[in-house]
Amino acid sequence: AQSVAQPEDQVNVAEGNPLTVKCTYSVSGNPYLFWYVQYPNRGLQFLLKYITGDNLVKGSYGFEAEFNKSQTSFHLKKPSALVSDSALYFCAVRDIGNNNDMRFGAGTRLTVKP
Amino acid sequence: EADIYQTPRYLVIGTGKKITLECSQTMGHDKMYWYQQDPGMELHLIHYSYGVNSTEKGDLSSESTVSRIRTEHFPLTLESARPSHTSQYLCASSGQTLQEQFFGPGTRLTVL
Repeated sequence: AQSVAQPEDQVNVAEGNPLTVKCTYSVSGNPYLFWYVQYPNRGLQFLLKYITGDNLVKGSYGFEAEFNKSQTSFHLKKPSALVSDSALYFCAVRDIGNNNDMRFGAGTRLTVKP
Repeated sequence: EADIYQTPRYLVIGTGKKITLECSQTMGHDKMYWYQQDPGMELHLIHYSYGVNSTEKGDLSSESTVSRIRTEHFPLTLESARPSHTSQYLCASSGQTLQEQFFGPGTRLTVL
């Protein structure tokens, strides 16, 4: 079965600095990978996804993520963080070769300080 | 406008009450899901459906039940609410296999 890990519970960065939120995955087939963001008292909002093609995927709000097959990683990045980026971020994986269920990571809380 | 809706957004009830959390989507999606999430914590899949008259239990054992009589509607029912059911409940839907899940705004349930 597929699984996804977000090794950091919390990431703190200063406004204007680059940010990285880490995600690693495990699947038996080909992975479809997703990032979501959740603001307080809200549902999850889709940011970006990797299905196939270019390993660097660009998404909403200036975020991007790089698919690295050899390291089984899909880290979320942004060149210059904003205070408004502070939120909970979830990585998710779907194993198309198997049961197609989507698995979510435990989430990483990003705090951007002015 | 295509969207996914959840009502109520907030609910405070007493122990032993029967409640139904509503979820509707206007995107024509076949797949729908219910997740339970404690504040700021990970999501736990409690129920899912791949189409009308199809319902399955998720990874997390739940005392709730669901039904899928219409494509657009996927209500979740608690026959007798308890304080341990206090949580946020998120509904989601998806269409094609390659597509991401779309989430509703959630229902925050408090059982006193």
